[in-house]
Amino acid sequence: ETGVTQTPRHLVMGMTNKKSLKCEQHLGHNAMYWYKQSAKKPLELMFVYSLEERVENNSVPSRFSPECPNSSHLFLHLHTLQPEDSALYLCASSQDFLPYYEQYFGPGTRLTVT
Amino acid sequence: RKEVEQDPGPFNVPEGATVAFNCTYSNSASQSFFWYRQDCRKEPKLLMSVYSSGNEDGRFTAQLNRASQYISLLIRDSKLSDSATYLCVVNADSGGGADGLTFGKGTHLIIQP
Repeated sequence: ETGVTQTPRHLVMGMTNKKSLKCEQHLGHNAMYWYKQSAKKPLELMFVYSLEERVENNSVPSRFSPECPNSSHLFLHLHTLQPEDSALYLCASSQDFLPYYEQYFGPGTRLTVT
Repeated sequence: RKEVEQDPGPFNVPEGATVAFNCTYSNSASQSFFWYRQDCRKEPKLLMSVYSSGNEDGRFTAQLNRASQYISLLIRDSKLSDSATYLCVVNADSGGGADGLTFGKGTHLIIQP
């Protein structure tokens, strides 16, 4: 049903591992986003790409590294994570990088860092 | 003061009742307002945008009060399937990009048979 897919759906990784989350949108949208959703906290925007260009966001630790090779794909590369990074990571897309466009979310990757 | 604030609930409401909840925002320059719905262990989905004049979609009515800086969501004739968490989303950045969208923690609604 959703036009935004994410893999894997679940991921358990150790603090020394390196892994990547993948997101793909089939909607022809120009903007893509990574969000983090932790228990009892609001969704936190991590990164935004508009027309494959990253919109600067300075509040995310460098152990999270995004990549947007084209307008349909978005990756989040993870390395040396901490247990507090365990959360649901949601990818979203919107028609353009303007706040009045609906955001379409993928099902998320539930990440556990051990 | 938090940028977007919601009563987390839970609101326990009998089926068929009317329920309303508000969301307050801190940035008076905010221009875009939305209600998203998130079912348990699912992704958020847009329920409705909130326009200055208010808008209605079936059993759902959204209102914006700029003077008091809050938006509201009213659900009439509530159904069991309305049980979910309702997320208030506000563009809290006057810069104009979607990176200014700020989500509230959500209000948890439980419709009881």
